[in-house]
Amino acid sequence: GQQVMQIPQYQHVQEGEDFTTYCNSSTTLSNIQWYKQRPGGHPVFLIQLVKSGEVKKQKRLTFQFGEAKKNSSLHITATQTTDVGTYFCAGITYNFNKFYFGSGTKLNVKP
Amino acid sequence: GAGVSQTPSNKVTEKGKYVELRCDPISGHTALYWYRQSLGQGPEFLIYFQGTGAADDSGLPNDRFFAVRPEGSVSTLKIQRTERGDSAVYLCASSLQGTRGGELFFGEGSRLTVL
Repeated sequence: GQQVMQIPQYQHVQEGEDFTTYCNSSTTLSNIQWYKQRPGGHPVFLIQLVKSGEVKKQKRLTFQFGEAKKNSSLHITATQTTDVGTYFCAGITYNFNKFYFGSGTKLNVKP
Repeated sequence: GAGVSQTPSNKVTEKGKYVELRCDPISGHTALYWYRQSLGQGPEFLIYFQGTGAADDSGLPNDRFFAVRPEGSVSTLKIQRTERGDSAVYLCASSLQGTRGGELFFGEGSRLTVL
């Protein structure tokens, strides 16, 4: 069945260091979305990627969608303590019925 | 309300009991999703409604789980004969109709603990 794998599971960085999380799907996706969940909170939408090879930036965050639309990455430049949380990718099937969430990467930033 | 509202926020019950969890989506959002999230895991798809009908219920783990959305707005997730393994945070999310793959707006979740 459809699976979305995400690595790494945990990442501890010093404030100012960069951070990257990777997402891989077993099948081709229509779209992929990224969400951030703060400790004790609920997932909050960050961005959606639709096109093959698409790259989008939000300030220090860079999102990429692979050419085959089966993988994606989120890169944060110069992390800040406000970046702490778990980052999830969610792959979307072509019938838009399901959003398959990865297991998440938990980011901890030491000041 | 401005966001997705879920009640109760916390529910503690005994094994074998019946539980109902309620979700009130954002007004005008016709797509509604239920997810289950266990500690340290990503949200696990349970069921998707488009309007009043369950467009996809393939994520419901077994026949103890059932969800309804009779008027295309509020939804209730029903769990019969609860088991300890049902303990998790149950998340509801809504999305605009016609927004293909549009963002999900999540509620704060209902934390279910089965003793």
